[in-house]
Amino acid sequence: GQQVMQIPQYQHVQEGEDFTTYCNSSTTLSNIQWYKQRPGGHPVFLIQLVKSGEVKKQKRLTFQFGEAKKNSSLHITATQTTDVGTYFCADTTSGTYKYIFGTGTRLKVLA
Amino acid sequence: GAGVSQTPSNKVTEKGKYVELRCDPISGHTALYWYRQSLGQGPEFLIYFQGTGAADDSGLPNDRFFAVRPEGSVSTLKIQRTERGDSAVYLCASSFGLAVGAKQFFGPGTRLTVL
Repeated sequence: GQQVMQIPQYQHVQEGEDFTTYCNSSTTLSNIQWYKQRPGGHPVFLIQLVKSGEVKKQKRLTFQFGEAKKNSSLHITATQTTDVGTYFCADTTSGTYKYIFGTGTRLKVLA
Repeated sequence: GAGVSQTPSNKVTEKGKYVELRCDPISGHTALYWYRQSLGQGPEFLIYFQGTGAADDSGLPNDRFFAVRPEGSVSTLKIQRTERGDSAVYLCASSFGLAVGAKQFFGPGTRLTVL
């Protein structure tokens, strides 16, 4: 079945440094959603990417969908302590609305 | 308006017992999802409903798990003969319809502990 892997699993950065997490799939991705989960919280929707090569920005966050639709990335510029949490990508299996979540990247930001 | 709510927030039970977990979606959301999340893992799909019908239940691990949504709003996830391996946070999410790009709104989850 489809597997969605994220790297790195953990990342510790100093406040102000940049951060990137990568989402890779064993099959072609249909559409990618990104979620953030704060410690002890629940996933919160950030954005969706649908088109090959698509790039979207939300303030300090930049989301990208690979040209071959087999990977996606989330880049945070100048991290802040409020960015702490686990970032998940999720993809629907082709032809369904069943979402497969990635393994997540846990971000810690050191002040 | 209110978000997705789940009750109870915590449930401790003994191995072999039956439990029911409830999800109250955002009003007007026709799609409802159940996920299970173990520590350090991403949410694992269990089932989703469009209206009253289970559109895809392929994620339910075995026949001890069952979910209903009789009136197309509140949903109940039922687990029979609980096992220690069922311990996890059970998350519910709802969205305004089933469509590519439909944003899922998650509830706070129910933490189930099976002793």
